[in-house]
Amino acid sequence: GIQVEQSPPDLILQEGANSTLRCNFSDSVNNLQWFHQNPWGQLINLFYIPSGTKQNGRLSATTVATERYSLLYISSSQTTDSGVYFCAGIVDTGNQFYFGTGTSLTVIP
Amino acid sequence: EAGVAQSPRYKIIEKRQSVAFWCNPISGHATLYWYQQILGQGPKLLIQFQNNGVVDDSQLPKDRFSAERLKGVDSTLKIQPAKLEDSAVYLCASSKEGAFLGYTFGSGTRLTVV
Repeated sequence: GIQVEQSPPDLILQEGANSTLRCNFSDSVNNLQWFHQNPWGQLINLFYIPSGTKQNGRLSATTVATERYSLLYISSSQTTDSGVYFCAGIVDTGNQFYFGTGTSLTVIP
Repeated sequence: EAGVAQSPRYKIIEKRQSVAFWCNPISGHATLYWYQQILGQGPKLLIQFQNNGVVDDSQLPKDRFSAERLKGVDSTLKIQPAKLEDSAVYLCASSKEGAFLGYTFGSGTRLTVV
């Protein structure tokens, strides 16, 4: 399998602050996605972003496939953004997602 | 559309006991996945079904774990006997055949082995 590194592992933000989460892959992946796992354990798909940049409200993501990394930007953070953010990718030959170890985000009011 | 349904939500058992988890995927999703998520880690695939056939079970500890999807719809994952290190959240996911955009996870079953 591939190695997926995420940074930072933990992040505490004041409400309203901005942040950038990073994900590095040891090999090329397809179908790179970002997920948010809420405090109740539900994994929610945020972005399907194999390359380029996408924005959805206060969140945006950029993937540079040739350099095997992706970034997730959170602007004007809210307490509801708290949880763990995972990036995951699928290699050419399979269907399973390889997940990173996650970034645990806590937004305090 | 209804999401991926899992039950039970929580389970506490003693080591060496057996336990079973149930998953009902989104209607029409041919592919079903079971992931294990140990505290502090990302989910790791245990087994993947395409309809009622196994596509990948290379990371399933087959001496104690088993899974089935008899009619190509819902699925059960069993652990027998359980060990302390099996304490984790077990996530079920489903997707349309060959598609990743509709990859959807259930809420998971949190297992504690004491």
